[in-house]
Amino acid sequence: DTGVSQNPRHKITKRGQNVTFRCDPISEHNRLYWYRQTLGQGPEFLTYFQNEAQLEKSRLLSDRFSAERPKGSFSTLEIQRTEQGDSAMYLCASSLSWGNEKLFFGSGTQLSVL
Amino acid sequence: GENVEQHPSTLSVQEGDSAVIKCTYSDSASNYFPWYKQELGKGPQLIIDIRSNVGEKKDQRIAVTLNKTAKHFSLHITETQPEDSAVYFCAAHRGQAGTALIFGKGTTLSVSS
Repeated sequence: DTGVSQNPRHKITKRGQNVTFRCDPISEHNRLYWYRQTLGQGPEFLTYFQNEAQLEKSRLLSDRFSAERPKGSFSTLEIQRTEQGDSAMYLCASSLSWGNEKLFFGSGTQLSVL
Repeated sequence: GENVEQHPSTLSVQEGDSAVIKCTYSDSASNYFPWYKQELGKGPQLIIDIRSNVGEKKDQRIAVTLNKTAKHFSLHITETQPEDSAVYFCAAHRGQAGTALIFGKGTTLSVSS
């Protein structure tokens, strides 16, 4: 068990560009979550998956954001037409099935939009 | 929806002292309350959690208490050590499918030797 893995660790991009992040959850976990964290704040929920089904999306997740988990294993989070306000740490977490809410977080992807 | 308030935002203690961080939640349906520790450059790590059918839980130097009536819960760290220095987050969850874990804004704990 190598824990939750996120790639890349850091991403610097220019405003208007598209970026994609990847998350590999703990292998037996079927729930996967995306959170965003800005400096001095707690993680803010974006979306989560139960296997390949996206079950909830926060209103923070604008139309420019899309997440997928095509085979119920790894997940990708894409941000289109990035804005400076998108600069944040994007955290992925995974957990076992409903009823076990212990979330295990990855180290995150730090996005800087110039 | 759920709202979690956490205080203080910063806490400085001397090594060996105790530290207490408090949180309140708004949704009376919440029934799971974890605490996470986040070190610089890392993701949050679960350190202790409590469910609403329990009033207190201990794990070595760490304890969590829950008052359901008042809708608040607290983290207690005894005999603090420099390696306890980190940002601590409380969170609340309704324990139902289709709901997410909601976090407080965090407390930066500094333990000086």
